[in-house]
Amino acid sequence: NAGVTQTPKFRILKIGQSMTLQCTQDMNHNYMYWYRQDPGMGLKLIYYSVGAGITDKGEVPNGYNVSRSTTEDFPLRLELAAPSQTSVYFCASSSPRDRGYTGELFFGEGSRLTVL
Amino acid sequence: GQQLNQSPQSMFIQEGEDVSMNCTSSSIFNTWLWYKQEPGEGPVLLIALYKAGELTSNGRLTAQFGITRKDSFLNISASIPSDVGIYFCAGQVRGAQKLVFGQGTRLTINP
Repeated sequence: NAGVTQTPKFRILKIGQSMTLQCTQDMNHNYMYWYRQDPGMGLKLIYYSVGAGITDKGEVPNGYNVSRSTTEDFPLRLELAAPSQTSVYFCASSSPRDRGYTGELFFGEGSRLTVL
Repeated sequence: GQQLNQSPQSMFIQEGEDVSMNCTSSSIFNTWLWYKQEPGEGPVLLIALYKAGELTSNGRLTAQFGITRKDSFLNISASIPSDVGIYFCAGQVRGAQKLVFGQGTRLTINP
């Protein structure tokens, strides 16, 4: 079982460059999430999606964009990379237990991004 | 917004000791979950709690959903080296479509 797959695992960007972090899941989960984790800190929600064609902002959406054209894929785009975006990014997915509950989140292994 | 306060932030213990950590909030949550993150990996679910007062075990791990719905506890008995990692609590309000995470408790074990 692949679960949640993120690529790339590591990337170094120059200030002002753009890139897309890829996330795909093979569990047919409706809900998908992007979190960032700064050193020694917890997880902060960037964007999330409850289904194809539906996205919404989390706590820290500035500087990022997302799209959800299929159930499986939820890419995260950085348009103009800044040093403040140096972080580890985690994609997660879940299948709601019933209306109102996200269900348990399954996480990818993370993508470590450094902006210099 | 809703916040979860997790304590302690870090723990340094001897192998074989029991561990307790907790998570509190000023808001009521309908679901509590506990995750463990090992170095270089994503968080992995340990225990999920869905009812106030619920006590659930997973091997040497036991977690409880507080009666007030504003807190949760995780206990690890007879710690072993592979328990090392960061433990996160997470909570969800019914209908919120997303989880709120605590800051994490970093567990270090001296053999």
